[in-house]
Amino acid sequence: GENVEQHPSTLSVQEGDSAVIKCTYSDSASNYFPWYKQELGKGPQLIIDIRSNVGEKKDQRIAVTLNKTAKHFSLHITETQPEDSAVYFCAARFANTGNQFYFGTGTSLTVIP
Amino acid sequence: NAGVTQTPKFRVLKTGQSMTLLCAQDMNHEYMYWYRQDPGMGLRLIHYSVGEGTTAKGEVPDGYNVSRLKKQNFLLGLESAAPSQTSVYFCASMTENRLNTEAFFGQGTRLTVV
Repeated sequence: GENVEQHPSTLSVQEGDSAVIKCTYSDSASNYFPWYKQELGKGPQLIIDIRSNVGEKKDQRIAVTLNKTAKHFSLHITETQPEDSAVYFCAARFANTGNQFYFGTGTSLTVIP
Repeated sequence: NAGVTQTPKFRVLKTGQSMTLLCAQDMNHEYMYWYRQDPGMGLRLIHYSVGEGTTAKGEVPDGYNVSRLKKQNFLLGLESAAPSQTSVYFCASMTENRLNTEAFFGQGTRLTVV
C-alpha cells in the first residue's frame, strides 16, 4: 500500500543549530506535501507545505525541499529555539487514492537551551 | 470561527460498548478525515469523506463506521469497542482551491477502552 517514511524518530539539537527531518513517499503521483507541528495535548498544525510543481519553499526560519525524482522531501529549521520543541509530521496527498493524506510516523524534536 | 471541533475530548469505554465521536467544522470544507494516533505510528487514516453523503475507507477502517449526512459533520462510530481501539482520535477537514489546500485538525479525543 501507499506509505510515507519519516526519519529520524527523535532529534536533539542545541539552540541556534539547524534541524533537518526527511521523508520519502511511495506514490509518484503525489502532488502536495505538508508539514505539521504537534505540541503536547494539541492537534497537528500546518507549518509549511509544498506542491509538486516547485522544488523549495521558505518561510522565515523554516524551509521545505522536494525532490520528485527521488520521491523525498525535507523540513529544514534554522536558528532553532526552545519553542520549536515538538513532534513534527510530514504528509503526502496520494492522488491515486482519492486525495487521502498519509502521514509519517513523526519526529520528536528537542531544542536544548 | 471555531474551525474543527471534536466531542467528546475524553472518554472511557468498557469492552463491547458503543459510542460515536462527533466532528464539526464551520469552514464549509468538502473533505473530512478521521485519524487515530498511536505512539510510534503517527497518524493513520481510518475513514474519510470527499463530500456530503460520501464516505470511503482509509488504512485502518476495521471496527469503525462513519457517516456524513451533513456537510459540516463527520461522525465516527465504534459499534463494539475493543482495547485495541484505545487511542487518540483526530478529525481534520480540508478544502482545495488554487490558493489553499490546508487541512485543519481538531484538538483530539482521547479514548480508553478497558
